[in-house]
Amino acid sequence: DIQMTQSPSTLSASVGDRVTITCRASQSINIWLAWYQQKPGKAPKLLIYKASNLESGVPSRFSGSGSGTEFTLTISSLQPDDFATYYCHHYNSYPRTFGQGTKVEIK
Amino acid sequence: QVHLQESGPGLVKPSGTLSLTCAVSGGSISSDNWWTWVRQTPEKGLEWIGETYHSGSTNYNPSLKSRVTISVDKSKNQFSLILTSVTAADTALYFCARALGYASTSFDYWGQGTLVTVSS
Repeated sequence: DIQMTQSPSTLSASVGDRVTITCRASQSINIWLAWYQQKPGKAPKLLIYKASNLESGVPSRFSGSGSGTEFTLTISSLQPDDFATYYCHHYNSYPRTFGQGTKVEIK
Repeated sequence: QVHLQESGPGLVKPSGTLSLTCAVSGGSISSDNWWTWVRQTPEKGLEWIGETYHSGSTNYNPSLKSRVTISVDKSKNQFSLILTSVTAADTALYFCARALGYASTSFDYWGQGTLVTVSS
């Protein structure tokens, strides 16, 4: 299985901050990576697919980059609605796996 | 707008069988997508269980493969999950989702999730 490791596990930030979350794959996954946002009691919501493509309807302050084994999700200016947990997910091979999550908290 | 809705018992006895259904509306289950089950626990996070295509093809997580069956019912526009010989470790929030495209990529639509507890 490909292991996905996110860092940090928790991030404290203020509204307006630039936030970056990293996801590392245990082997190359090319660009076959997605990012999701999850709020308590809700299903994950797709933000980014194919490493850097913004899902329709997702604010442009979200962006993704990377390829191979290292990827980042950046929120350019954190908004109150962005406090949530973020997950990466690879679909390069089977089984699909997820990162352990990064919780973005209010500082 | 595609909508997915999970249904099934919220409580299953140890050694029993977990059975969930995901009803798809706003789109056809025979579209060029895969239909997926994912579960979530505080301990293990998000875990991909497996997926099915409308042709009946399936892919399963090897960690669960011996106990899992995912099937599609095109007449009802729904797909199902069966997990046998459950233990407390199978207690989780279960989601159904659509994996986009024939290549089965990102999960663009999700159900709201259903909590299944394994307990006597």
